[in-house]
Amino acid sequence: KQEVTQIPAALSVPEGENLVLNCSFTDSAIYNLQWFRQDPGKGLTSLLLIQSSQREQTSGRLNASLDKSSGRSTLYIAASQPGDSATYLCAGTDSWGKLQFGAGTQVVVTP
Amino acid sequence: DTAVSQTPKYLVTQMGNDKSIKCEQNLGHDTMYWYKQDSKKFLKIMFSYNNKELIINETVPNRFSPKSPDKAHLNLHINSLELGDSAVYFCASSPRGRRPSNYGYTFGSGTRLTVV
Repeated sequence: KQEVTQIPAALSVPEGENLVLNCSFTDSAIYNLQWFRQDPGKGLTSLLLIQSSQREQTSGRLNASLDKSSGRSTLYIAASQPGDSATYLCAGTDSWGKLQFGAGTQVVVTP
Repeated sequence: DTAVSQTPKYLVTQMGNDKSIKCEQNLGHDTMYWYKQDSKKFLKIMFSYNNKELIINETVPNRFSPKSPDKAHLNLHINSLELGDSAVYFCASSPRGRRPSNYGYTFGSGTRLTVV
């Protein structure tokens, strides 16, 4: 059974610092890995999707890497802004299309 | 334009009642899902439908019954509500086709269910 772990559980940084969020998974047979953002009381916003054959994906200040052999993915957010404050969730997709989520990393960026 | 919309956004009801949550997507996706986020914020899949066919049915009490009248709608009916059913329920969709999509999921904004 797939288990997804996210470290750290919470992170607080001053504005301008780079953020590094870690995700590890136990079953390397994932179809793809996705990173989401969740704001309080809101739904999930898809940030990046990395296919199993890819090593990384980039969108603006966001970069996500995937190492299937070690069961790890990392989300980097460059030059953080207060608007980046949210909970970030990673999820592995299995062959049935099910997302297995981690518990999330709660990020606070202080001005 | 709301891509995945759920109604209601909030639902407060007494134990033992029956309630429904509705979901609609206008993205043309053929697969829809229900996820539950509990008080510890863990998200877990409950059901998935592909073109009105049930393809994923996790270990969920049979008081929960999904219904998909067409591929753009997936409703969730809950009978005999219990205190432990209190959670946020998210609907999502993806262009899955016959295999998992590499175009990702689109989630609704959630329905916060409180059973008192």
